Amino acid sequence: DAGVIQSPRHEVTEMGQEVTLRCKPISGHNSLFWYRQTMMRGLELLIYFNNNVPIDDSGMPEDRFSAKMPNASFSTLKIQPSEPRDSAVYFCASSFGDDGYTFGSGTRLTVV
Amino acid sequence: KNEVEQSPQNLTAQEGEFITINCSYSVGISALHWLQQHPGGGIVSLFMLSSGKKKHGRLIATINIQEKHSSLHITASHPRDSAVYICAVHTSGTYKYIFGTGTRLKVLA
Repeated sequence: DAGVIQSPRHEVTEMGQEVTLRCKPISGHNSLFWYRQTMMRGLELLIYFNNNVPIDDSGMPEDRFSAKMPNASFSTLKIQPSEPRDSAVYFCASSFGDDGYTFGSGTRLTVV
Repeated sequence: KNEVEQSPQNLTAQEGEFITINCSYSVGISALHWLQQHPGGGIVSLFMLSSGKKKHGRLIATINIQEKHSSLHITASHPRDSAVYICAVHTSGTYKYIFGTGTRLKVLA
C-alpha cells in the first residue's frame, strides 16, 4: 500500500481563491482525520470521519472550511474564500479503529 | 494552564542514553496518542494507548490513568531519533483531540 496520499504537496494561491486539498486514505481504514499545523497554534484536529460520516467537525475554524468524504477512498478539504491566515500544513490521516494510524505527507498551503 | 502538558520542551542527549519524555493531562480521556514528527515535517504515529504499556523496538510507552500521566521512553537512543515528540489525548465523552506542545529531542552522535 502506498500509504495515505495527499495532493497537492504544495499550493500557493491568492487571497480570495478557492482551495481544495485531497486525501486518499489507506484501503480498509474506516476513520479519516484532517489536521492543520501552524507555528502559532501547533497541530489541531479539524474534522474526523468514521465510515465516511463526519463525526466531529468542531475543529473546523469557520464556515469558509468544508470537508467531504463521498466514498471510502477519497476525501476533500475545501477553503472558500481563502485568507492568508489559512496558510499552514494540512495533514490527512487514516486508521482502522485505533490501529494502523497513518499520516499523509501533508499539503503546505500558502495564501498570499 | 494547558490541558495537555509535555516535559521537557527541549532535550539534548548523547547517543546511547535512555530518554524519557513526559505527558500530563487534566481531562478525562479515552486514549492517548504519541506522535513523532521528523525535521522534514512528516508525522508518524508511534503508539495509541488507553492503559498499561506498549513496546515497539526501542520505544516504550506507559500510561497511568489514575495519575493522568504518560511517559515515552527511548532506549539506546540514536541520532535518527532526533525529532519532535507530540502527545495527544482523545477526551472521553465528546470526541475532542487535544495536542501537547511537543518535546524537541536532539540526539548527538
